[in-house]
Amino acid sequence: KNQVEQSPQSLIILEGKNCTLQCNYTVSPFSNLRWYKQDTGRGPVSLTIMTFSENTKSNGRYTATLDADTKQSSLHITASQLSDSASYICVVQYQAGTALIFGKGTTLSVSS
Amino acid sequence: DAGVIQSPRHEVTEMGQEVTLRCKPISGHDYLFWYRQTMMRGLELLIYFNNNVPIDDSGMPEDRFSAKMPNASFSTLKIQPSEPRDSAVYFCASSPSGRSYEQYFGPGTRLTVT
Repeated sequence: KNQVEQSPQSLIILEGKNCTLQCNYTVSPFSNLRWYKQDTGRGPVSLTIMTFSENTKSNGRYTATLDADTKQSSLHITASQLSDSASYICVVQYQAGTALIFGKGTTLSVSS
Repeated sequence: DAGVIQSPRHEVTEMGQEVTLRCKPISGHDYLFWYRQTMMRGLELLIYFNNNVPIDDSGMPEDRFSAKMPNASFSTLKIQPSEPRDSAVYFCASSPSGRSYEQYFGPGTRLTVT
């Protein structure tokens, strides 16, 4: 069964600290993996997108990694800010298709 | 560009009533997606259109749900009759030709069915 599992479910960190969110998937065949940030009450916004041939992609303080062999991805947030408080969703797309498989997200809370 | 526009932003209705959600995609985008988000199930794709034609509606939960796209700038998702379990946030997203993976989401419609 094609699934995307994220961990942890929720995370609380202090402002300025780093954190890493995990995503494991079983989607096959695989086209691309993306990370979305969803602020409360808003739609998801894309942070990064990686194909199977890419193993890292950065967007400012956000760095995503991908290991297509182990089917794992991580999102690393450096020097967290209060505005990073949001839900982070890992999404995997089937190869040669449009269907997306969504993880349930990790809720990150950054406190001062 | 104003981005993807959805209306209404909030809808409260009684069980059995008809509900219509509306979406205006980003101009020039030829893919349009309808999603539903709940705490239990996360984001789920309901249906998507390409050039106004429904391509995959396998995510539509049952016959009570229907979606139309009469032209390139407007789509509706209708629930008739509505049930309390339909309560969720419904998102519309659009993407440009050849880049269906590059989806831009609207702000969502929060539906509450009592």
